[in-house]
Amino acid sequence: GESVGLHLPTLSVQEGDNSIINCAYSNSASDYFIWYKQESGKGPQFIIDIRSNMDKRQGQRVTVLLNKTVKHLSLQIAATQPGDSAVYFCAENVVMGGSNYKLTFGKGTLLTVNP
Amino acid sequence: GAGVSQSPSNKVTEKGKDVELRCDPISGHTALYWYRQSLGQGLEFLIYFQGNSAPDKSGLPSDRFSAERTGGSVSTLTIQRTQQEDSAVYLCASSLVVPDPPLHFGNGTRLTVT
Repeated sequence: GESVGLHLPTLSVQEGDNSIINCAYSNSASDYFIWYKQESGKGPQFIIDIRSNMDKRQGQRVTVLLNKTVKHLSLQIAATQPGDSAVYFCAENVVMGGSNYKLTFGKGTLLTVNP
Repeated sequence: GAGVSQSPSNKVTEKGKDVELRCDPISGHTALYWYRQSLGQGLEFLIYFQGNSAPDKSGLPSDRFSAERTGGSVSTLTIQRTQQEDSAVYLCASSLVVPDPPLHFGNGTRLTVT
């Protein structure tokens, strides 16, 4: 497989532990944020999103926290499972003007879950 | 229903040749996006379409890259005179309306230029 770990931040956790993946975004005008999960050989898969008028949103086993003051986003995964092993990307939606916008992705974090 | 479909899944080409990558978005999705992902890197925005028009082409790396979309559906990304640095996974995504992610991604085309 790909040696993505050579270039990406990595997080290694034990099965059953909680995982926290962090992301710093760049544009204070960003109004919408998304976390994606990418498994080897596949395209990114939507996990959870949050709008800028919220600071917390919960899904199934996942929680996203948004701190606009410091432009920080985090993804918390409860009771991490081996199937959660993947690269996780945060993305910010930047309004460019009118109906034009751009979804910009971070570099990603490789999560490895040890059994 | 079917997700975003990309073809081919893998393409090996010689330096200097032209290649065409195809994307079939989810039916009814008006917005379509192309991203490039190099080994171990994040996603680099290339271009997006709203219907058949491309409001933002700013991400295209050079004039060797072009994209079109016809009938508000299928899109092709063309790379002319390919170079080794073009080797990457090219991802296509679609969404129902603009501006309204989340984007739904295909599994990409892995392009290798030898």
